Amino acid sequence: AQSVSQHNHHVILSEAASLELGCNYSYGGTVNLFWYVQYPGQHLQLLLKYFSGDPLVKGIKGFEAEFIKSKFSFNLRKPSVQWSDTAEYFCAVTLTGANNLFFGTGTRLTVIP
Amino acid sequence: EAGVAQSPRYKIIEKRQSVAFWCNPISGHATLYWYQQILGQGPKLLIQFQNNGVVDDSQLPKDRFSAERLKGVDSTLKIQPAKLEDSAVYLCASSLERGYTFGSGTRLTVV
Repeated sequence: AQSVSQHNHHVILSEAASLELGCNYSYGGTVNLFWYVQYPGQHLQLLLKYFSGDPLVKGIKGFEAEFIKSKFSFNLRKPSVQWSDTAEYFCAVTLTGANNLFFGTGTRLTVIP
Repeated sequence: EAGVAQSPRYKIIEKRQSVAFWCNPISGHATLYWYQQILGQGPKLLIQFQNNGVVDDSQLPKDRFSAERLKGVDSTLKIQPAKLEDSAVYLCASSLERGYTFGSGTRLTVV
């Protein structure tokens, strides 16, 4: 079955630590990939997206993600986290030609000042 | 541009009661989605509209959930009768091509 897996359910980091959140998908076709962030009490916001081209994607707020097709992965990274990055992070996938977003279960990030 | 508007923000009902949620998408966005986000899980698609036609409602529990999108603009999602397991945040999103915008959601608590 098609799925999106986020293996880290809750990550706790100190400020200035580096971040990497894992995302793996299991779709056979061509995919479009997204990372969304949900701050407490707020709506989902797009961090970055990958459709084609350079597999290293730069997003907002210093986030980046790398698409590794052979590993079916799209991991999110940030070299130095801030307390304000405390939020829930969701990886999502659409199949090329379809519009529906399939979401992972999310990773809760807590950054300790 | 204005975002996706949803109302109400919060709703508490007793089981077996009915409830309705409203969504106003971004102007010009042809595609509208309703997602259900249960605590601790990622959003799950309930129904997708293209203009006022249904594209995908395979995950909608049709015995109790219904949705409509009048004139291809606003949409309502209804639950009748509600069950305890319907407690969740109901998100509306709209898209144009591959750009998605989400509303703030309606948090439903069924007691």
